Amino acid sequence: KQEVTQIPAALSVPEGENLVLNCSFTDSAIYNLQWFRQDPGKGLTSLLLIQSSQREQTSGRLNASLDKSSGRSTLYIAASQPGDSATYLCAVFSSGTYKYIFGTGTRLKVLA
Amino acid sequence: GAGVSQSPRYKVAKRGQDVALRCDPISGHVSLFWYQQALGQGPEFLTYFQNEAQLDKSGLPSDRFFAERPEGSVSTLKIQRTQQEDSAVYLCASSPAQGANTEAFFGQGTRLTVV
Repeated sequence: KQEVTQIPAALSVPEGENLVLNCSFTDSAIYNLQWFRQDPGKGLTSLLLIQSSQREQTSGRLNASLDKSSGRSTLYIAASQPGDSATYLCAVFSSGTYKYIFGTGTRLKVLA
Repeated sequence: GAGVSQSPRYKVAKRGQDVALRCDPISGHVSLFWYQQALGQGPEFLTYFQNEAQLDKSGLPSDRFFAERPEGSVSTLKIQRTQQEDSAVYLCASSPAQGANTEAFFGQGTRLTVV
């Protein structure tokens, strides 16, 4: 059974810092991995989608990497801003299933 | 609208009441998912539709939960005889193709509170 873990659960950093959020999964048989952002009381906004054949994806100040064999993904945020404050969720789509399995998220606070 | 739309945004139900939650996916999207998110937790899978076919309902927590997508577009999640443990945010997502090779787009969710 696929399990997804995110570390740390919460993170508070000063503005301008580069930071790394971690996601690990137990079953490497995945179709893809997606990183989402969730603001309080809101739905999920897709940030980056990495297919199983890819190693990384970049969008603006965000870079996500995928190491399927070790069951890990990292989300790198460069030059963090207060507007980046949110909960970041990773989700894996396991092979042979019809579902994303989510981690419990990392709650990020960027201090001005 | 351009995104996934869910209604109502908020619903307060008395214990034992039946509720119906609606999801309007992005037009033309084949896949539709329902998720349940408890406070402070990640979303938990409930069910998946490919067009009008419900291909996976393994996440529905009890037979009080029922979902349908009769014409392959709008979907409704129905909860009968609501209990306090049903209080959560219910999220709907759609994606343009079957399977997992495309991005999933989520709605704003319906926050259900059972009192």
